[in-house]
Amino acid sequence: ETGVTQTPRHLVMGMTNKKSLKCEQHLGHNAMYWYKQSAKKPLELMFVYNFKEQTENNSVPSRFSPECPNSSHLFLHLHTLQPEDSALYLCASSQDVASGRYEQYFGPGTRLTVT
Amino acid sequence: DQQVKQNSPSLSVQEGRISILNCDYTNSMFDYFLWYKKYPAEGPTFLISISSIKDKNEDGRFTVFLNKSAKHLSLHIVPSQPGDSAVYFCAAFISNFGNEKLTFGTGTRLTIIP
Repeated sequence: ETGVTQTPRHLVMGMTNKKSLKCEQHLGHNAMYWYKQSAKKPLELMFVYNFKEQTENNSVPSRFSPECPNSSHLFLHLHTLQPEDSALYLCASSQDVASGRYEQYFGPGTRLTVT
Repeated sequence: DQQVKQNSPSLSVQEGRISILNCDYTNSMFDYFLWYKKYPAEGPTFLISISSIKDKNEDGRFTVFLNKSAKHLSLHIVPSQPGDSAVYFCAAFISNFGNEKLTFGTGTRLTIIP
């Protein structure tokens, strides 16, 4: 596998379910990100991890819980979601910010539908 | 408040001609800009970037121009090819340490007509 992978690609869940999204990067990067893309809206940053430490929580509701066990893996744990949480969830990675390399590389996304 | 704006939601260009995608920003603290391309069912793919110390960066068929005084950047694709049909996002970044936020525009759907 190369680049940034995400599983599952599609997920349908009820409002009382608990599920997790997984992201893995094979680029040797040290920063990882979760984004949400809703219809007709720009990409919204949710969380940033730099060297496994969370450095940004962009006012995300607590029903979304990130986990970064190491620099290559990132999870997004979901529980008691609302229908308006249905969106495309994208993971990205980059070199650490201090490197001066700001390009982020994205995975294919998980299309989440909350019923 | 939308800090990065792409005012054209769609653009159609004849194959072989030049495609020009535009982006405006409001935050003068932005000092690094990127363009991404997105196909359906895929994540955005990084295309080209430019630092605010430059006004032009070129990579093959892609050139990005930055006009800091107008807070405007544009992506030129020449010649346009059918495979360029996709949604293009511009993004902006403030490069002081501790701020890792990329702020994205809403995207422009480019269609190349054969």
